[in-house]
Amino acid sequence: EVQLLESGGGLVQPGGSLRLSCAVSGLTLGTFAISWVRQAPGKGLEWVSTISGLPGSTYYIDSVKGRFTVSKDIPKNTVYLQMNNLRGDDTAVYYCAQHLEWLQSFDYWGLGTLVTVSS
Amino acid sequence: EIVLTQSPGTLSLSPGETATLSCRASQTVKSPYFGWYQQRPGQAPRLLIYAVSSRSTGIPARFSGSGSGTDFTLTISRLEPEDFAVYYCQQYGSSPLTFGGGTKVEMK
Repeated sequence: EVQLLESGGGLVQPGGSLRLSCAVSGLTLGTFAISWVRQAPGKGLEWVSTISGLPGSTYYIDSVKGRFTVSKDIPKNTVYLQMNNLRGDDTAVYYCAQHLEWLQSFDYWGLGTLVTVSS
Repeated sequence: EIVLTQSPGTLSLSPGETATLSCRASQTVKSPYFGWYQQRPGQAPRLLIYAVSSRSTGIPARFSGSGSGTDFTLTISRLEPEDFAVYYCQQYGSSPLTFGGGTKVEMK
C-alpha cells in the first residue's frame, strides 16, 4: 500500500524559510514522480512543484520559482520542498502526491501539513 | 496557462439523485490528460477519474467522466451520503498543471 506522510509545517515570519518533507512508503522514489499541491484556507487546490522519477527533473509554478526548491533522497524515500523568502500568500496546507510520471494524474495523496506565514 | 472553470459552484441534491458537474477549459486540453478529484471535509483529495473517463482503483461505477477539447463532465448517479463533498477537475497535459475552483455537492 502506498502511503505519503508530510511533515515540517508550522508558523514562520514573512521572509523566513521552511523545509517540508514527504516520506513515501510502498513504492520506490526513483521510478515515480512526486508533486506538491497547496490549498489556502477555504480555497481550492494549486499545483506548486513536481520532481519526476528518473532523471529527477523539476517543475514549478511561476509564483514560487527562485524561492522554492524540490529535491529527493532516494535511499530515504523522501522528497523535500525547501521554501525560502516566504510570503503571506504561501499560507496553505501543503500536500504531497504521487504520480507515475510528470504529466500524469495524482494517484495517492498525503494528509498534508499546514504552513502559516505571519508576523 | 489553462484556466479551468467549474460550474455550478454549489449543487444541492438529495441522496439517490444524479449530480452533473461541468468543467470548462480556457483552451483545448491535451488528450487525454484530464481528471477529477473528490475532497471530503478535513480530508486530502482523492483521485476519482483519470484520462477523462477511467475510474481510479476502488471508485464505484456510479462515478463517470466524459468530454473532450474544452468541455468535460463528471456524473455521479444515485448519490450516496458519502458522495457529498467538493469535486475538483484538473488538467495535467501542460504546465502549469491547473485545477478548477471546485464544485460543492451538498445535501438538500
